[in-house]
Amino acid sequence: GAVVSQHPSRVICKSGTSVKIECRSLDFQATTMFWYRQFPKQSLMLMATSNEGSKATYEQGVEKDKFLINHASLTLSTLTVTSAHPEDSSFYICSARKSWLAGGWEGTDTQYFGPGTRLTVL
Amino acid sequence: EDKVVQSPLSLVVHEGDTVTLNCSYEVTNFRSLLWYKQEKKAPTFLFMLTSSGIEKKSGRLSSILDKKELFSILNITATQTGDSAVYLCALIQGAQKLVFGQGTRLTINP
Repeated sequence: GAVVSQHPSRVICKSGTSVKIECRSLDFQATTMFWYRQFPKQSLMLMATSNEGSKATYEQGVEKDKFLINHASLTLSTLTVTSAHPEDSSFYICSARKSWLAGGWEGTDTQYFGPGTRLTVL
Repeated sequence: EDKVVQSPLSLVVHEGDTVTLNCSYEVTNFRSLLWYKQEKKAPTFLFMLTSSGIEKKSGRLSSILDKKELFSILNITATQTGDSAVYLCALIQGAQKLVFGQGTRLTINP
């Protein structure tokens, strides 16, 4: 199996607050997790790559101090949106890829997505 | 710059029709091409294609990759209303990042 969960599924917060989103691989170990955001009717945009036990790699234009990523274990990565503003409102999706031991060549290339978190900042 | 282009962007057909979705790409360090189906939430994995000319099949869905012409197609036969979704094509480059196309919004009318 390859099930990825996200929590919460929906969050509404006031401007200036911080929001934490969790991404968990439920039935496999994920050495690498990815965080995306998706605006309405647009495709997924990669924000950052999260590697277990090391610092995340951010895509160009993504503020690392605003979007804090922690990948503390092989099954959990968190994204914290700090001092959220209305323009941060979006659909945030994580994905996870299996470790080599768990998935082999094909398994490590396939990314399995969580159900997403819809963030609304008022 | 790596690029994934899907066509058509939108397609409306009747239940029972067969559809073909296209994905062409330009990428410097190709590893694999993946197809996903996205309904209201996050994408669900359909196929991963690595080798040219080998068809992958799952029920009414099938897909094939042509690495010489740099494209892939996703076929859906005997479409059903439950096939309505956005279908995303994505490439994995050497860096293992996914580069997504814009998606094809497929609507199946009863």
